Amino acid sequence: DAGITQSPRHKVTETGTPVTLRCHQTENHRYMYWYRQDPGHGLRLIHYSYGVKDTDKGEVSDGYSVSRSKTEDFLLTLESATSSQTSVYFCAISESGLAGYNEQFFGPGTRLTVL
Amino acid sequence: QQQVKQSPQSLIVQKGGISIINCAYENTAFDYFPWYQQFPGKGPALLIAIRPDVSEKKEGRFTISFNKSAKQFSLHIMDSQPGDSATYFCAASRGNEKLTFGTGTRLTIIP
Repeated sequence: DAGITQSPRHKVTETGTPVTLRCHQTENHRYMYWYRQDPGHGLRLIHYSYGVKDTDKGEVSDGYSVSRSKTEDFLLTLESATSSQTSVYFCAISESGLAGYNEQFFGPGTRLTVL
Repeated sequence: QQQVKQSPQSLIVQKGGISIINCAYENTAFDYFPWYQQFPGKGPALLIAIRPDVSEKKEGRFTISFNKSAKQFSLHIMDSQPGDSATYFCAASRGNEKLTFGTGTRLTIIP
């Protein structure tokens, strides 16, 4: 998976608890992304980063925050998890640009269940 | 609002047959149309992509057909093999903007 790891790979948590997902890359790519994948919705962009401490919202950012203190790490935090955030979360990286034609490389995903 | 509509949701094809997955888009400003392939337990990976200045692009057994006037594009997998069993996502983007993904098609190739 192109030098991308995600942790944890699986997590079960309870409504109202905070959750942090980690994405780590060894490719030194500038752009990093968090997507969620849900049946009937495909992949939807939550947040993305275009450099250390530079982040922006995607189409489904409500209830999520991100941080990037190092090039290689991009954290996704659910401040107070809800059942609607049960999903599979994918991290992706690209060498340059948000634009679709810049190939994105995806991590293996994190399956999150919020009870 | 679904800007890229993908069909069918699932598809079963016999080994050696042709698998066809269709996508339709609404935004005429889209100018890049990739297909991503995802195996179970893995993240999606770019399979093949096309720009609207050509009507077809072929890479091995995989072909994208593009119909600009109908605002449709499709993925054809020739001589489908069990190893092609995966979920396929079409996507579209314009300029420097993000990808918009379709909802995915689960393809199963049976012997």
